[in-house]
Amino acid sequence: AQSVTQPDIHITVSEGASLELRCNYSYGATPYLFWYVQSPGQGLQLLLKYFSGDTLVQGIKGFEAEFKRSQSSFNLRKPSVHWSDAAEYFCAVGALGAAGNKLTFGGGTRVLVKP
Amino acid sequence: NAGVMQNPRHLVRRRGQEARLRCSPMKGHSHVYWYRQLPEEGLKFMVYLQKENIIDESGMPKERFSAEFPKEGPSILRIQQVVRGDSAAYFCASSQTELNTGELFFGEGSRLTVL
Repeated sequence: AQSVTQPDIHITVSEGASLELRCNYSYGATPYLFWYVQSPGQGLQLLLKYFSGDTLVQGIKGFEAEFKRSQSSFNLRKPSVHWSDAAEYFCAVGALGAAGNKLTFGGGTRVLVKP
Repeated sequence: NAGVMQNPRHLVRRRGQEARLRCSPMKGHSHVYWYRQLPEEGLKFMVYLQKENIIDESGMPKERFSAEFPKEGPSILRIQQVVRGDSAAYFCASSQTELNTGELFFGEGSRLTVL
């Protein structure tokens, strides 16, 4: 069974500083990987996804993520955070060949942005 | 272009009562997923439905929980005889295709509080 670990529960970063959120997955085959963002009281919005091809994936809002098979990681980065990036971020893995789009989510990383 | 619509957004029930949560998928989407988010945790898959069919209910508790997606109308997640541990945010997602390369679109969630 697949699993996703986000080691950092909380991260505090200053506005304008860079941000990196860690994600490690466990899956027996090629995973489909996703990053979602959840603002307080809201649903989840897809930031980016990786299926195949270029291992550096560009997403919305200036985010990017890099798939590293050797490290089973899919870390999310942003060069310069804005106060509006304060939210909770979830990494998720999809099961290749399974019926439907069932995703396994990590526990999330809550990002606080200091002025 | 309406997204995934969930209602009610907030629901308060006393122990032993029933909770019904509704989800209307995006227009043109015939695949619906329910996820549960317990406080301070990530989302956990509950059930995957297509019109009139339950495809995967491997994440549903064995008792008191049921889901349906009728030919007409929204998908319903029903929780009978609620207990305090059912307090959570319940998210519905929809997709256009069963392929797991398709994007999941999430609603804003229904937050259930059991007193």
